[in-house]
Amino acid sequence: QQQVKQSPQSLIVQKGGISIINCAYENTAFDYFPWYQQFPGKGPALLIAIRPDVSEKKEGRFTISFNKSAKQFSLHIMDSQPGDSATYFCAVSSGSRLTFGEGTQLTVNP
Amino acid sequence: GAVVSQHPSWVICKSGTSVKIECRSLDFQATTMFWYRQFPKQSLMLMATSNEGSKATYEQGVEKDKFLINHASLTLSTLTVTSAHPEDSSFYICSARFDRVQPQHFGDGTRLSIL
Repeated sequence: QQQVKQSPQSLIVQKGGISIINCAYENTAFDYFPWYQQFPGKGPALLIAIRPDVSEKKEGRFTISFNKSAKQFSLHIMDSQPGDSATYFCAVSSGSRLTFGEGTQLTVNP
Repeated sequence: GAVVSQHPSWVICKSGTSVKIECRSLDFQATTMFWYRQFPKQSLMLMATSNEGSKATYEQGVEKDKFLINHASLTLSTLTVTSAHPEDSSFYICSARFDRVQPQHFGDGTRLSIL
């Protein structure tokens, strides 16, 4: 059973545009929703995270929007840059373990 | 920020040999460490969770006798792939966290290639 579904699988955006990646989850017990950025040959790095008591969190160009009733959350990257080109993973957690989405390969064209 | 170091970053070895991968938390004490496996263009799959001084908890389908995990100190965990075969070739990534409410911090992974 897939606990978190991520879309799109790949995304191409022009420099300066907005990148939007979506995730949907099933288990209402999840209480921590992070986004990770992974470059080729590297481990994932925590980008931004949210807990279900808030609907939005912004850190620089990165924003998480969280819809508890719809069991969905999304990552918005404003003013996307070529250096943002990477694979992005959403994840869900309740307590100990993280479960990752399938990943989105983002390409930002100059 | 919290730094997790993984060593080696890349290893190539012959089929049948055992390979040990180290994961160290450099600037914090990790009560819990996690080991993941990632195939090309796929997501991270949790293999096992280890708490310092305790036996690791393996995910369903992961052979504990093949993937030996030791978490003997608050800063070091090791994963030993025993009698490795080509199908064990993958990207292995560890993560560590200080406590239950802190996020996991990931190492840079170890690319294992079994010939």
